Amino acid sequence: AQSVTQLGSHVSVSEGALVLLRCNYSSSVPPYLFWYVQYPNQGLQLLLKYTSAATLVKGINGFEAEFKKSETSFHLTKPSAHMSDAAEYFCAVSEGKRDDKIIFGKGTRLHILP
Amino acid sequence: GAVVSQHPSRVICKSGTSVKIECRSLDFQATTMFWYRQFPKQSLMLMATSNEGSKATYEQGVEKDKFLINHASLTLSTLTVTSAHPEDSSFYICSAPGLWANEQFFGPGTRLTVL
Repeated sequence: AQSVTQLGSHVSVSEGALVLLRCNYSSSVPPYLFWYVQYPNQGLQLLLKYTSAATLVKGINGFEAEFKKSETSFHLTKPSAHMSDAAEYFCAVSEGKRDDKIIFGKGTRLHILP
Repeated sequence: GAVVSQHPSRVICKSGTSVKIECRSLDFQATTMFWYRQFPKQSLMLMATSNEGSKATYEQGVEKDKFLINHASLTLSTLTVTSAHPEDSSFYICSAPGLWANEQFFGPGTRLTVL
């Protein structure tokens, strides 16, 4: 079975500071990994995904994530936080087949301090 | 990218009534769709996999007689919450895989409130 663990249900950073949201995965097969963002009362938006190509994945809004097999991690980073980044972020995993279900982590609420 | 719509976006109903939520893939076909439930300040929990032309596959702990899923066509899946109770109040989100592996498109969600 696959799962992801997000470390920290809440993370606060100052505007302009580095954003680091942590995600560790567990999978018996090579995983496909995702980061999604959800703004209040809205659906999900895909930030980026890892599909076994480059280990450093660049996404939208300046976010990127690095797949580290040795650490079973897929942490999300952004060099400089913006107020508009305040949202809920979900790490997710699937097995990589087209119709495969996606399993979500519990989420991390990112707070941006002025 | 492909678009998935949900209708209604919000619904309020009385306890004991049934509510139907539609999920449509607008410009692509989806033989499979997924239904998730999200309680306030929590993650998305997969409820079931909707399969066009066959029965849905439910996750462990999800009552199939309470959450009826019908995948009527290649672009439409419906979730009916039967005899709804206040504890069924939640945000219901559907998704559909795209053409390529690991593309999955999410609907905007339906907020269900049961009084």
